[in-house]
Amino acid sequence: GAGVSQSPSNKVTEKGKDVELRCDPISGHTALYWYRQSLGQGLEFLIYFQGNSAPDKSGLPSDRFSAERTGGSVSTLTIQRTQQEDSAVYLCASSVNWETQYFGPGTRLLVL
Amino acid sequence: GNSVTQMEGPVTLSEEAFLTINCTYTATGYPSLFWYVQYPGEGLQLLLKATKADDKGSNKGFEATYRKETTSFHLEKGSVQVSDSAVYFCALSTSGTYKYIFGTGTRLKVLA
Repeated sequence: GAGVSQSPSNKVTEKGKDVELRCDPISGHTALYWYRQSLGQGLEFLIYFQGNSAPDKSGLPSDRFSAERTGGSVSTLTIQRTQQEDSAVYLCASSVNWETQYFGPGTRLLVL
Repeated sequence: GNSVTQMEGPVTLSEEAFLTINCTYTATGYPSLFWYVQYPGEGLQLLLKATKADDKGSNKGFEATYRKETTSFHLEKGSVQVSDSAVYFCALSTSGTYKYIFGTGTRLKVLA
């Protein structure tokens, strides 16, 4: 496809369960970003990949959050032992350079 | 640190009214500036951008001019339509960094 895709589009889970969120960037985009959009918190940066490396993970809110990227393409964001405060929309973006980022539709996560 | 300040919403206008959404920024160096739009239930879409002072970004009747002297990037449209109802985000990025700094978003509602 032409754009960034994310799956699942919606995820409902129980507190304490682990979840995996997937992002497929635009082909040829070397940079990949994860953001979180929470009610009342706006958009916050989580992590950035250049190729398969993550130079900066400082936006990850706790050690329950981790992310990886393989083959310079698909990325997975994993949240372990989910908490209700993890409920948010998780957005993925990709770019060729540091300027324009192209966003996916997001995964809406609800932790009960 | 870098930051973006947007006017508080929601903004409610009648169709064909003039729109201004204010955005000011604080940044070291010379940032690139962006407006993204998020339609209900969708991801972020790039609306327009400007990469240097006095540049004007434009798209779909929207315009914004990069004003270095006032550190502003206000979004304008001469005649809004119901279909413009969405949340608008101002953002910046600076050379050598990789993450966007977003404003809190401004919700626009256009009434027929």
